[in-house]
Amino acid sequence: EADIYQTPRYLVIGTGKKITLECSQTMGHDKMYWYQQDPGMELHLIHYSYGVNSTEKGDLSSESTVSRIRTEHFPLTLESARPSHTSQYLCASTDGGKDTEAFFGQGTRLTVV
Amino acid sequence: SQQGEEDPQALSIQEGENATMNCSYKTSINNLQWYRQNSGRGLVHLILIRSNEREKHSGRLRVTLDTSKKSSSLLITASRAADTASYFCATITGANNLFFGTGTRLTVIP
Repeated sequence: EADIYQTPRYLVIGTGKKITLECSQTMGHDKMYWYQQDPGMELHLIHYSYGVNSTEKGDLSSESTVSRIRTEHFPLTLESARPSHTSQYLCASTDGGKDTEAFFGQGTRLTVV
Repeated sequence: SQQGEEDPQALSIQEGENATMNCSYKTSINNLQWYRQNSGRGLVHLILIRSNEREKHSGRLRVTLDTSKKSSSLLITASRAADTASYFCATITGANNLFFGTGTRLTVIP
């Protein structure tokens, strides 16, 4: 069982609201990721972090922002949610090495109405 | 996909049969990994094969890697209904970021 947690699991919210998706891990991993998964299953890397105070954009442009103030915590924020943000958001972490597996949270399914 | 394509997109087999999924990728890699995702859940790591390895086994899983063709395959032998899930290959690029393929939906019919 992976020690990485995402809350909430499901969120339905109105257009224009600000939301924060939480992700925490207790493994002491430096590297953390956010993926967006579309209905066709493909995962797109939207943000990653090498460690505290490090945030980088992934290969898919996203209107969301992230922060990394503590090693264990990597929240994702949408300042003004839109229906196009409706998706599954997956958080993951690794120890940053080359031959290392990723541990995933259970995901947050976001619906913007 | 930025890095990988999987084939087939969907596969339906009878319990007890073998399931084979293929993955092709685009750039040079450090290793290739396979993950499983149950419906609506996060991904779970199954197996990792390094770029200098050609084949690896773990229980009922067998993974092959052909770096000259930039391809890998995952074989699940003697499938069970509980193997029903989506399977993804993932590669690590030079920046040590994981990029995933498009996934194969496997359905094992009891």
